Amino acid sequence: GAVVSQHPSRVICKSGTSVKIECRSLDFQATTMFWYRQFPKKSLMLMATSNEGSKATYEQGVEKDKFLINHASLTLSTLTVTSAHPEDSSFYICSASLVLGEQYFGPGTRLTVT
Amino acid sequence: AQTVTQSQPEMSVQEAETVTLSCTYDTSESDYYLFWYKQPPSRQMILVIRQEAYKQQNATENRFSVNFQKAAKSFSLKISDSQLGDAAMYFCAHAGGTSYGKLTFGQGTILTVHP
Repeated sequence: GAVVSQHPSRVICKSGTSVKIECRSLDFQATTMFWYRQFPKKSLMLMATSNEGSKATYEQGVEKDKFLINHASLTLSTLTVTSAHPEDSSFYICSASLVLGEQYFGPGTRLTVT
Repeated sequence: AQTVTQSQPEMSVQEAETVTLSCTYDTSESDYYLFWYKQPPSRQMILVIRQEAYKQQNATENRFSVNFQKAAKSFSLKISDSQLGDAAMYFCAHAGGTSYGKLTFGQGTILTVHP
């Protein structure tokens, strides 16, 4: 149980284009989902907290107009990187909260912007 | 604000031996959770063990156990009978208080297991 999927697993896009990453909780309903960014051999950096039916809460320093988050249902949250640039290349991970104080993570999406 | 510190960027252990990964944290909350997550080369985050702060008993999960020292704000992970599959990056994390559900991660410790 408590499986979270992400799609796509890797994506390459050209500079200036937008790319959407989906995060789904497959066997449970998640009221809260989280989006992280991770650089190689570094820790996970929380970008935003997403609650179903409401606007996402962004961490300090994260551009909300660049990283658009939508949490339309209890099983789906999406992260759209708008007008992507090479510096946006990274590993993006989502997680979903099932019980208080515990998160289940998706397998991640490797984004490369050329 | 909560902080989590892992002071060991890298650790190594021989197969079948025991290794301990250190973690300290700072929090103003009285009710919180602590976690150890494992991230193997696949980069899938896997929950290793979880500790509720109100529980005095240290959590144990098969070969993995923690030493939770609440007053010292210390939360170390002991891996017994290390296996090659234990090689990964390990993250200590804290969740609690008004930001319940939001995890604060440590910097991570890369564990190498030598055959």
